[in-house]
Amino acid sequence: GAGVSQSPSNKVTEKGKDVELRCDPISGHTALYWYRQSLGQGLEFLIYFQGNSAPDKSGLPSDRFSAERTGGSVSTLTIQRTQQEDSAVYLCASSQGAGGLKFFGPGSRLTVL
Amino acid sequence: EDKVVQSPLSLVVHEGDTVTLNCSYEVTNFRSLLWYKQEKKAPTFLFMLTSSGIEKKSGRLSSILDKKELFSILNITATQTGDSAVYLCAVNSGTYKYIFGTGTRLKVLA
Repeated sequence: GAGVSQSPSNKVTEKGKDVELRCDPISGHTALYWYRQSLGQGLEFLIYFQGNSAPDKSGLPSDRFSAERTGGSVSTLTIQRTQQEDSAVYLCASSQGAGGLKFFGPGSRLTVL
Repeated sequence: EDKVVQSPLSLVVHEGDTVTLNCSYEVTNFRSLLWYKQEKKAPTFLFMLTSSGIEKKSGRLSSILDKKELFSILNITATQTGDSAVYLCAVNSGTYKYIFGTGTRLKVLA
């Protein structure tokens, strides 16, 4: 595609529910990142995928968070049993080679009531 | 611990003013420094700097890196209301490790 796309744009859910956030990277980009941005904060690294290598999950804040990337393209971030502190904007980015982290998706704003 | 610090946290100026935003860093393995403009949700890439003393310029925006003193500045001249945004700085400290500052919120008044 022309850019990184994410869905949903906004999601409001009740505490305890599970949510799935989707990211479509730029076609041909082998690297895919998920970040979280809480209100007034910088971007917090969550997980990194590179090609067929094992992902770096070191940024996932708890075992309620998981992510997968199917076929080296689309990625889904799943948050189980959501908590109010999970409310944030979840940003996806993709890159190719050593060109730097230049392409972010529009983000998914999650609000947990 | 690697860290990136931006200053000021926020800034209010009038159209036509020139602003300078600061980004300082402490990382164990510096590869590059990136600047972004964030208006709503998605950060938009502005510059990537790898070498000291070489200014990158795009229209009214410019940026320079000082690897000896471990900082970068982003200059915006003749500011416009459309420049109002959060400006983020990030340092690449590994193949895929990017450390972000908390940003500078710029508001340009008409």
